[in-house]
Amino acid sequence: DIQMTQSPASLSASLGETVTIECLASEDIYSNLAWYQQKPGKSPQLLIYYANSLNDGVPSRFSGSGSGTQYSLKINSLQSEDVSIYFCQQNYDSPYTFGAGTKLELK
Amino acid sequence: EVKLLESGGGLVQPGGSMRLSCAASGFTFTDFYMYWIRQPAGKAPEWLGFIRNKANGYTTEYNPSVKGRFTISRDNTQNMLYLQMNTLRAEDTATYYCARGFYGSSRDWGQGVMVTVSS
Repeated sequence: DIQMTQSPASLSASLGETVTIECLASEDIYSNLAWYQQKPGKSPQLLIYYANSLNDGVPSRFSGSGSGTQYSLKINSLQSEDVSIYFCQQNYDSPYTFGAGTKLELK
Repeated sequence: EVKLLESGGGLVQPGGSMRLSCAASGFTFTDFYMYWIRQPAGKAPEWLGFIRNKANGYTTEYNPSVKGRFTISRDNTQNMLYLQMNTLRAEDTATYYCARGFYGSSRDWGQGVMVTVSS
């Protein structure tokens, strides 16, 4: 299985700040990487697919980048509604595997 | 509007079986891969598998962690997705989600249904 190492595990940031979450795959996943946001008690919601494509309705302050084994999710101008847990997922090779998650809180 | 609604969860004894259902609406069901994903409380999601769309013959793919115990199927006349779970273990306790596939990712998720495996 492809292992997804996500960092940091938790992150505290101020409103208006820019934050970056990283995901490292154990092998090349050729940009087959998705990012999800999950709020407490809710289902995960797709933010980014294919490493850098923004899902419909997702604010433009979210962006994804990366290639090969290294990927990142950037949130510009952090808003209060961005407090969530974020997961990456590779969908290059079965079984599709998730990172352990990053809990984003407000400072 | 895409809607996915899971049902069929609850409490089951170890070694027992359970079938989850997912009612889909708001899109052409046969055009899409459909996924099952589960998430133990406080942990990351785990992809369980998918069933392909009509163009790809409705074939299935499973996570080895559940292969041979879980079966994914679909009723395209009723826009229903199913997950048959056999020989359940305590570690199968989780919230189970169905999701609509999109470029390998899961674009739309149901609200989830809880499955508890305990005696």
